[in-house]
Amino acid sequence: EAEVAQSPRYKITEKSQAVAFWCDPISGHATLYWYRQILGQGPELLVQFQDESVVDDSQLPKDRFSAERLKGVDSTLKIQPAELGDSAMYLCASSRPSEDRGFIEQFFGPGTRLTVL
Amino acid sequence: GNSVTQMEGPVTLSEEAFLTINCTYTATGYPSLFWYVQYPGEGLQLLLKATKADDKGSNKGFEATYRKETTSFHLEKGSVQVSDSAVYFCALSDWWGQFYFGTGTSLTVIP
Repeated sequence: EAEVAQSPRYKITEKSQAVAFWCDPISGHATLYWYRQILGQGPELLVQFQDESVVDDSQLPKDRFSAERLKGVDSTLKIQPAELGDSAMYLCASSRPSEDRGFIEQFFGPGTRLTVL
Repeated sequence: GNSVTQMEGPVTLSEEAFLTINCTYTATGYPSLFWYVQYPGEGLQLLLKATKADDKGSNKGFEATYRKETTSFHLEKGSVQVSDSAVYFCALSDWWGQFYFGTGTSLTVIP
């Protein structure tokens, strides 16, 4: 069964350093999402792509976060510089329309656990 | 705007007990509703879904019914097992494919 791939699975960095996360969605999925999940909370959308275009990045802290999906396939999320409050799980998901009208089926990757020291 | 409110945890049950996790939502239009499960150190997995009012989603003994009149989508299971221990998230998606998640409910099942 196809899966969303993410790397690395774990990342430890010091504050003010740059970090980057990679996501490879399920083949054929046009929509890609990056979420941040703080321990004990639900996922919070950072950015949503439709193919290579950003659909929603209203919650992305653009002074330090950037995301790209240049060829509409895999995607990279970058943080520069990292801050202590960025410690969280970063989840990537991709989606496709189902056969049911209005139902979007979303699949999650395993996530990248970021620790900022 | 769209939002999901779910029952706070943690919830601790004995094996074979009945489980209910409450979820209510606020949405414009006609959202689809989901329950996701997250095991330690892993991403979210879709547990069940319902796409229109009165639909019942079910999977692995879990059930939830889309109640438009009460804007609810409560998760139930008649007899929980130790392997059901995880964090459960209620979520909705709107017409444009944007998802909104609740804060999660941690379930621990003890033998």
